[in-house]
Amino acid sequence: DGGITQSPKYLFRKEGQNVTLSCEQNLNHDAMYWYRQDPGQGLRLIYYSQIVNDFQKGDIAEGYSVSREKKESFPLTVTSAQKNPTAFYLCASSMTSGIKETQYFGPGTRLLVL
Amino acid sequence: ILNVEQSPQSLHVQEGDSTNFTCSFPSSNFYALHWYRWETAKSPEALFVMTLNGDEKKKGRISATLNTKEGYSYLYIKGSQPEDSATYLCALSLSNFGNEKLTFGTGTRLTIIP
Repeated sequence: DGGITQSPKYLFRKEGQNVTLSCEQNLNHDAMYWYRQDPGQGLRLIYYSQIVNDFQKGDIAEGYSVSREKKESFPLTVTSAQKNPTAFYLCASSMTSGIKETQYFGPGTRLLVL
Repeated sequence: ILNVEQSPQSLHVQEGDSTNFTCSFPSSNFYALHWYRWETAKSPEALFVMTLNGDEKKKGRISATLNTKEGYSYLYIKGSQPEDSATYLCALSLSNFGNEKLTFGTGTRLTIIP
């Protein structure tokens, strides 16, 4: 089945640790996105990538890093510089990067800081 | 900062009743509006993409209208069923000048009472 997978479903991070959230898609989509959801807030864009080996900061990129070495994969690293990393993280992809394009979402990863 | 407001925040509807809710946004420089449905423990799923003032879209018992001049979109559900219980998100882009970002509202959480 075509789709987007995110792993793990739950992730625990100790203070000062970097952690990496996985996002893989087999939809052959060019564009991929990372969003963060906090209680009472809409999804907020962290980073997006329009094509392999290229990515741009979203609205809340501080404390995060990404890479896009393969079309299918867009991992997100939450660094120790991210002061409030506890949140639900959603990955999405779309055929192209146009904003009329439907975005397809993964199941999400919940990150908790110990 | 683009402000996308959804109302109400939550509502409970008796099975079989029809309902509607609103997404409000700044009317200037509108480009595209998306509606997504997000069921608990699942991924957000696209419902509609709307771009033109007066657009009306329909998918089964769900329909949406768009008024870009006054800055709102309505989502209607006719004859609500338990499977309609979900959070409904709208997302907006105000321009396509190299800006592939969507700004999401906080959602309307709909619960259908059997």
